[in-house]
Amino acid sequence: EAGVAQSPRYKIIEKRQSVAFWCNPISGHATLYWYQQILGQGPKLLIQFQNNGVVDDSQLPKDRFSAERLKGVDSTLKIQPAKLEDSAVYLCASSFWDSEGTQYFGPGTRLLVL
Amino acid sequence: AQKITQTQPGMFVQEKEAVTLDCTYDTSDPSYGLFWYKQPSSGEMIFLIYQGSYDQQNATEGRYSLNFQKARKSANLVISASQLGDSAMYFCATKGTDQAGTALIFGKGTTLSVSS
Repeated sequence: EAGVAQSPRYKIIEKRQSVAFWCNPISGHATLYWYQQILGQGPKLLIQFQNNGVVDDSQLPKDRFSAERLKGVDSTLKIQPAKLEDSAVYLCASSFWDSEGTQYFGPGTRLLVL
Repeated sequence: AQKITQTQPGMFVQEKEAVTLDCTYDTSDPSYGLFWYKQPSSGEMIFLIYQGSYDQQNATEGRYSLNFQKARKSANLVISASQLGDSAMYFCATKGTDQAGTALIFGKGTTLSVSS
């Protein structure tokens, strides 16, 4: 069974530029999560989808971050314009829509904003 | 509110020895799960083990076991017979399990270094 796929793996941009990350979850997983992991910290949720609907985006900086999961499968996370403090690893995870809901993570995208 | 505390920034162990990584939690959820993930330098978060708050027995998965002490609100990870490939960052996390699809709350992690 294929795991969670993410691309690109690495991205370097200058501040005020835009960037987009892509995620394809495990087949059959209704729930998709985007986490931000700043160096030296644990991941923190940015946004959570169930199928193509948003469940929780309370910690998403909506003035610059946006995300969509139009067909309920793959998802795109965008940052526009990027700030230096957005340098982090962006992790995508997916799970079955159930109460235990073990989350399986992709390899992440390492973003460096200069 | 939920919180995970991992007080060991770094742990050092020799091959074949056992090691315990500490995790304490605080949650208001009546039903919750505790998770451990491993993050090698490559960056991927690898799921290791899960313990439900109502599970009577401690969870085990191969060389990994979870020492769950509900009264002390601790969920320590025990790795038996450490291997060089166990060198990585380890994260403890929790989520409520009363409803489907809640997000994980992670601790700051513990770096484990295994030497030969």
